[in-house]
Amino acid sequence: NAGVTQTPKFRVLKTGQSMTLLCAQDMNHEYMYWYRQDPGMGLRLIHYSVGEGTTAKGEVPDGYNVSRLKKQNFLLGLESAAPSQTSVYFCASSYDGKQNTEAFFGQGTRLTVV
Amino acid sequence: AQSVTQPDIHITVSEGASLELRCNYSYGATPYLFWYVQSPGQGLQLLLKYFSGDTLVQGIKGFEAEFKRSQSSFNLRKPSVHWSDAAEYFCAVGAWQAGTALIFGKGTTLSVSS
Repeated sequence: NAGVTQTPKFRVLKTGQSMTLLCAQDMNHEYMYWYRQDPGMGLRLIHYSVGEGTTAKGEVPDGYNVSRLKKQNFLLGLESAAPSQTSVYFCASSYDGKQNTEAFFGQGTRLTVV
Repeated sequence: AQSVTQPDIHITVSEGASLELRCNYSYGATPYLFWYVQSPGQGLQLLLKYFSGDTLVQGIKGFEAEFKRSQSSFNLRKPSVHWSDAAEYFCAVGAWQAGTALIFGKGTTLSVSS
C-alpha cells in the first residue's frame, strides 16, 4: 500500500537548471496538491489539481509549473531554479475537494539550489 | 480570507505533563479543521479532524481537540505527553469551497523534556 510517493527524495540543483518532481498516488484520488515547507512558514500551497487534465494556482505559484496528464500523477516543474526555491516539497492527494476529505502526504523532496 | 494561526512557535513540556497546542482560524463558512503531526524528516500524518457534530474529537496517539466556534479555535490536547510526541504540529482548515485547498498554520514545535 504505497499511498503517495514522491521522486526524488533529495536533489541539488545549480541556479538556472531545470527539474521535474514526480508525485504518484495509488488511491484513485481526484485531488492532488504541491506544497513547499520552509522554516517558520508552515506549508504553503504552490499548485493543485482537481482532476486529470486540470491545474490551479495556489498561494505561491511563481517559478513553478505543473501538469496532471494522468490521474495518478502530478508533476511539479522548475524551469529555471533559483536559490529561493530551496525548500522541502510535499505532494498530497485527497479523494475529492469536499470539506471532510483527509489529505494524504508523501515523504517529501528536499531540494537545494546553489 | 481564510487563515490559520498557531500562536506558539515552540513549546517544551515535561514528560508526563499535559499539553495544549493552540490554533485559531479565520474562515467564512463552516470550518473543517485538521491537526497533522510531522516527525523529523517525515511527511505529515493526520492526528484528527473535525467536520461537524460533537465539538470534542478524539484522534490517534491519545490526542483530542476541541472546536470552539465562539473563539474560532481548535486547540489540541493530550493529558500525558510521551517523549515520542516530540515533533512539529500543524493545524489546518479545509478551504476547498473558497477555491483553494488545505490551508496550514506555521506550525508548533513540541519538545519533551525528561
